[in-house]
Amino acid sequence: EVQLVESGGGLVQPGGSLSLSCAASGFTFSYYPMHWVRQAPGKGLEYVSAISGDGGATFYANSVQGRFTISRDNSKNTLYLRMGSLRPEDTAIYYCARDDDANYGLFEYWGQGALVTVSS
Amino acid sequence: EIVLTQSPGTLSLSPGERATLSCRASQNVGSSYLAWYQQKPGQAPRLLIYGASSRATGIPDRFSGSGSGTDFTLTISRLEPEDFAVYFCQLYGSSPRVTFGGGTKVEIK
Repeated sequence: EVQLVESGGGLVQPGGSLSLSCAASGFTFSYYPMHWVRQAPGKGLEYVSAISGDGGATFYANSVQGRFTISRDNSKNTLYLRMGSLRPEDTAIYYCARDDDANYGLFEYWGQGALVTVSS
Repeated sequence: EIVLTQSPGTLSLSPGERATLSCRASQNVGSSYLAWYQQKPGQAPRLLIYGASSRATGIPDRFSGSGSGTDFTLTISRLEPEDFAVYFCQLYGSSPRVTFGGGTKVEIK
């Protein structure tokens, strides 16, 4: 059974940093690109970042480019999102997500989400 | 950048009724890379439809998708109590292309 479990959320002051982790199990982690999607309270879904299976290619939304860093450790089956220079508008639930077997960016599996609150 | 616009924002219906949700793209996106998700309060989204019209694993056949080009539709033939939720459309296929619509809330009338 595929499982994705996020951790690391919490309260951080504007301008601060926070790191999220997503522990994966039930599949061969290194075979799949992985993604982060966020959802501000009461709002829609926003695609944040992606990383290829080998970690060699990354993508960032314009809204987080230069502030967030996605990475992965395939030996630990874990995806990371390092968030810096945080702003109140970064407040959201952050989900990690995995593609289905054939379609890039089609999110068949999601974690339960990690809440990040940016506030003084 | 392609923008997906969903309408209506809220749909108020009774159990047993038919729900028709719209997703319009700002430019032609073909039909192969349009998906629909369902999200209930406190839960992650769940994949319903991909390729505009193919149901994901385990999705009941009361859910159907259609459309191509710029206009797409999600239809729920007869609403069950568990179908009252928020629905999002999404483009996929490559990272720059991935985007979500703003969502339609289907609420109990």
